[in-house]
Amino acid sequence: KAGVTQTPRYLIKTRGQQVTLSCSPISGHRSVSWYQQTPGQGLQFLFEYFSETQRNKGNFPGRFSGRQFSNSRSEMNVSTLELGDSALYLCASSLGQGGAFFGQGTRLTVV
Amino acid sequence: GENVEQHPSTLSVQEGDSAVIKCTYSDSASNYFPWYKQELGKRPQLIIDIRSNVGEKKDQRIAVTLNKTAKHFSLHITETQPEDSAVYFCAASDSGGSNYKLTFGKGTLLTVNP
Repeated sequence: KAGVTQTPRYLIKTRGQQVTLSCSPISGHRSVSWYQQTPGQGLQFLFEYFSETQRNKGNFPGRFSGRQFSNSRSEMNVSTLELGDSALYLCASSLGQGGAFFGQGTRLTVV
Repeated sequence: GENVEQHPSTLSVQEGDSAVIKCTYSDSASNYFPWYKQELGKRPQLIIDIRSNVGEKKDQRIAVTLNKTAKHFSLHITETQPEDSAVYFCAASDSGGSNYKLTFGKGTLLTVNP
């Protein structure tokens, strides 16, 4: 069974630009969550989607948004990028009971 | 909201020794507590989890204990090996055992010296 796949693996963007990251969950998993990982703040919850509905949102500004498609694939978008948005963005999928399984992440660098 | 504290931030042990990492949580509604191992440059991997209706769970050399009254849970690794070296994260969730929202501790860098 294929694991969680995130694309792209690396991105370099300029301040003020926007970016879209993609996540394909494990087949059969309908819940997809997104996390931001930085050395200073650790792993922080962004939002969670289930059956195309956002069920939970973390404490991030409105520049961070996401969506989920009918095939459970998810995208997150960050608009008006700031230097502080540089981080590893991880998505995780779950059946809804039990553990979350992470993708390899997208390393975003804002210059 | 939930807050998870994790200690120690770094831990160095000799191969064969045991390692213990402790976490406390603040929200009494939390009922699911997973542990993740993250090697350098890799994704976090779920290594063990426990639900609030269980006090202890073991899987070979790793075990997790939960004290609901004190709101703390611990990871125990016995007979440590160099390949156990990684960053370990604890997490807590109040969403019925799913990953609706995991609140993570800051992580523990475990180094196992040969």
